[in-house]
Amino acid sequence: DAGVIQSPRHEVTEMGQEVTLRCKPISGHDYLFWYRQTMMRGLELLIYFNNNVPIDDSGMPEDRFSAKMPNASFSTLKIQPSEPRDSAVYFCASSLRGRNIQYFGAGTRLSVL
Amino acid sequence: KNQVEQSPQSLIILEGKNCTLQCNYTVSPFSNLRWYKQDTGRGPVSLTIMTFSENTKSNGRYTATLDADTKQSSLHITASQLSDSASYICVVSAVATDSWGKLQFGAGTQVVVTP
Repeated sequence: DAGVIQSPRHEVTEMGQEVTLRCKPISGHDYLFWYRQTMMRGLELLIYFNNNVPIDDSGMPEDRFSAKMPNASFSTLKIQPSEPRDSAVYFCASSLRGRNIQYFGAGTRLSVL
Repeated sequence: KNQVEQSPQSLIILEGKNCTLQCNYTVSPFSNLRWYKQDTGRGPVSLTIMTFSENTKSNGRYTATLDADTKQSSLHITASQLSDSASYICVVSAVATDSWGKLQFGAGTQVVVTP
């Protein structure tokens, strides 16, 4: 398996623009997680899904952030409108229930100018 | 206040030497504790996971210990190698109805192994 695949690897955009980050989990995994990592705040869990259903979105910073999982093999994290303080590395991870191990993608480095 | 505190913030060690990283937590009720290794520019990789009843777990040259009474964990790296240079993150999970619970992350310890 190719592992968790995220795209794009790097994104540079201007303040106010819409940004969409994409994630393909490992085939067969039923949990999907979105994380944000910054130097100041470290790694933060934003939201996670189980069987495509959002379970806990309490980490989503504000209404500008939204996440969807239309099917078992694809998820998006959207920021609209983007702000400079959203600049961070965004990770997607997936896991299989009962295994308790999360597998992370390589991340998307987002820079909002 | 962060419920997971790691120390030291960073350390430099010589190749071949051992080192120990610390993680103290106040998360309650406790479910499990994970150690992750994150190489620069990569996503974190799971090293170990321990539940309340486990007090030690090894993964190659990495050995994690857990004292649930004092709410402390340590990660010991034996005979360090240059490839051990990375950030090590402690993650503690509180009990919840869902198996993943609520995750609390430490800020990480940056380890640099020098030749």
